Amino acid sequence: AQKVTQAQTEISVVEKEDVTLDCVYETRDTTYYLFWYKQPPSGELVFLIRRNSFDEQNEISGRYSWNFQKSTSSFNFTITASQVVDSAVYFCALSEAGTGNQFYFGTGTSLTVIP
Amino acid sequence: KAGVTQTPRYLIKTRGQQVTLSCSPISGHRSVSWYQQTPGQGLQFLFEYFSETQRNKGNFPGRFSGRQFSNSRSEMNVSTLELGDSALYLCATRRGGSAGANVLTFGAGSRLTVL
Repeated sequence: AQKVTQAQTEISVVEKEDVTLDCVYETRDTTYYLFWYKQPPSGELVFLIRRNSFDEQNEISGRYSWNFQKSTSSFNFTITASQVVDSAVYFCALSEAGTGNQFYFGTGTSLTVIP
Repeated sequence: KAGVTQTPRYLIKTRGQQVTLSCSPISGHRSVSWYQQTPGQGLQFLFEYFSETQRNKGNFPGRFSGRQFSNSRSEMNVSTLELGDSALYLCATRRGGSAGANVLTFGAGSRLTVL
């Protein structure tokens, strides 16, 4: 079974629109970590944010915000006022203490921001 | 601070050949993980090495192998190449302690094309 599900395969938005990328995870561990990575066309995945299972406080960082809800096992990522440079593939990932901290990645959401 | 270095960046092989890819981690990072990325399968975990020992292994055939040296540099080898092995191979490193919070830092990848 998929541990991390990103149901949105591709999203297109017009520049300056807000966009939310969905991520649903599955784990039986009480201690786990959630991550978002961005992969621009150059290919290198870039770390964006990390949250642990004991910290449901959501955060806003510039144009980025994250919504972590344990009740629904979701860890969604929102970009406000999107820009062309936001075009990339975004990956959600889970790391569980019980499986040796192995990372499980979702299949990614390809975001295209149209100027 | 130097990032994760992967070599070679691009290579072309023919079916039946073998290939060796190299990854040099960030200084202080003792864990090295390898991922295969293809358009249809997303990021697939190959294996993780820590202190020269394989710590975790994904679901890949024995043609895929790896090793880690005392300086934490890692190599992965694919023998008897098949067309389906064409992919971007990503290396990711982290400090490798017990904390699942360790962030993975990725290299730019090695793009393998099998003809």
